[in-house]
Amino acid sequence: DTGVSQDPRHKITKRGQNVTFRCDPISEHNRLYWYRQTLGQGPEFLTYFQNEAQLEKSRLLSDRFSAERPKGSFSTLEIQRTEQGDSAMYLCASSLARTPSETQYFGPGTRLLVL
Amino acid sequence: KNEVEQSPQNLTAQEGEFITINCSYSVGISALHWLQQHPGGGIVSLFMLSSGKKKHGRLIATINIQEKHSSLHITASHPRDSAVYICAVRDYGGSQGNLIFGKGTKLSVKP
Repeated sequence: DTGVSQDPRHKITKRGQNVTFRCDPISEHNRLYWYRQTLGQGPEFLTYFQNEAQLEKSRLLSDRFSAERPKGSFSTLEIQRTEQGDSAMYLCASSLARTPSETQYFGPGTRLLVL
Repeated sequence: KNEVEQSPQNLTAQEGEFITINCSYSVGISALHWLQQHPGGGIVSLFMLSSGKKKHGRLIATINIQEKHSSLHITASHPRDSAVYICAVRDYGGSQGNLIFGKGTKLSVKP
């Protein structure tokens, strides 16, 4: 257990439905990251926050995706109008920004299946 | 954009064998991470390197900045080492947040 939690751990939904995932980082960590991982591939960066500010978004993050970190603590990732191609593991990580090379601690992930 | 390649993709070893997993990247980096992912998804950070060598128990990670190459070694491998090992880099001039990952090396250690 790294101290980063994600909820839910599994989600099955029908195409077209909206889903929301939550990530609770390690409490003193000011950076929070979202990644997506499909079967047999390494994770791909989606977006990251420093405190409540969303500092970077990947081109993978289409308009159907939105992420928030309203109080600089937990974060949510929402996918609207889900598509079968959204099926993946969604990973959250957190870190404490001390140097450019800080260690990221990963949560267990939320596995999404879109039918 | 940095391209991260790992080899081999799959590796089967007998318990006790010395294991090496390789990672190469195409553009200068500020840091390289080795991560371990167990079935079910949980990812654990093993090492973060910007130069030289680090050792933790039976794991050793090395990096050669000039050759843009890193290796992860496991001595006296054990079945509990079975997992996917992932190399990830942060570009030298790139975003503080963005790690670029390799596809991983799936290691299976047989008793």
